Amino acid sequence: GQQLNQSPQSMFIQEGEDVSMNCTSSSIFNTWLWYKQDPGEGPVLLIALYKAGELTSNGRLTAQFGITRKDSFLNISASIPSDVGIYFCAGQELGGSEKLVFGKGTKLTVNP
Amino acid sequence: GAGVSQSPSNKVTEKGKDVELRCDPISGHTALYWYRQSLGQGLEFLIYFQGNSAPDKSGLPSDRFSAERTGGSVSTLTIQRTQQEDSAVYLCASSSRGFGGYTFGSGTRLTVV
Repeated sequence: GQQLNQSPQSMFIQEGEDVSMNCTSSSIFNTWLWYKQDPGEGPVLLIALYKAGELTSNGRLTAQFGITRKDSFLNISASIPSDVGIYFCAGQELGGSEKLVFGKGTKLTVNP
Repeated sequence: GAGVSQSPSNKVTEKGKDVELRCDPISGHTALYWYRQSLGQGLEFLIYFQGNSAPDKSGLPSDRFSAERTGGSVSTLTIQRTQQEDSAVYLCASSSRGFGGYTFGSGTRLTVV
């Protein structure tokens, strides 16, 4: 099945730095979501985007739904150690069912 | 319950045995999904139940995999004649219809030896 192209695959940053990751798709999506997964847990929803061009913030997190509806990015500002984890983008294809397609994840390591 | 509950949290089984994984979704959520996450990989869609509609089984990797959802609530994923490549974390999620954000359980880590 389709998968989203998520990059980078991993990031090693210093505490306080900003982080950016993105996802692209070959097909149009009508919903983009960003999840975070901690070790031994299921992914937890961070931000949901429903309209092309939409820019949404959740604390230090900001995500945007690309104008072309084929991409999305997630920014984390002023990173802290608890930001460590794997971040997944996910989307629902236009005209598709409610099931989500996921990227392979970005593993974030924050050095104190 | 307050969240999606999965059991067991860990399962070690011998190659060739059958296993059953259970998911108890959030009360009132009409949609239930099963995904598989292999080491270092993203989430691979397996099967999706929505209300009383026929399930979307398009992601099941082989006929050894099956799932059912009884009474529109609890779901069981069954893997017959397990193989080593079935080793993975199996995640269940539920959602309200029309809302794209799932709530995931903590998963069942399956190890086939």
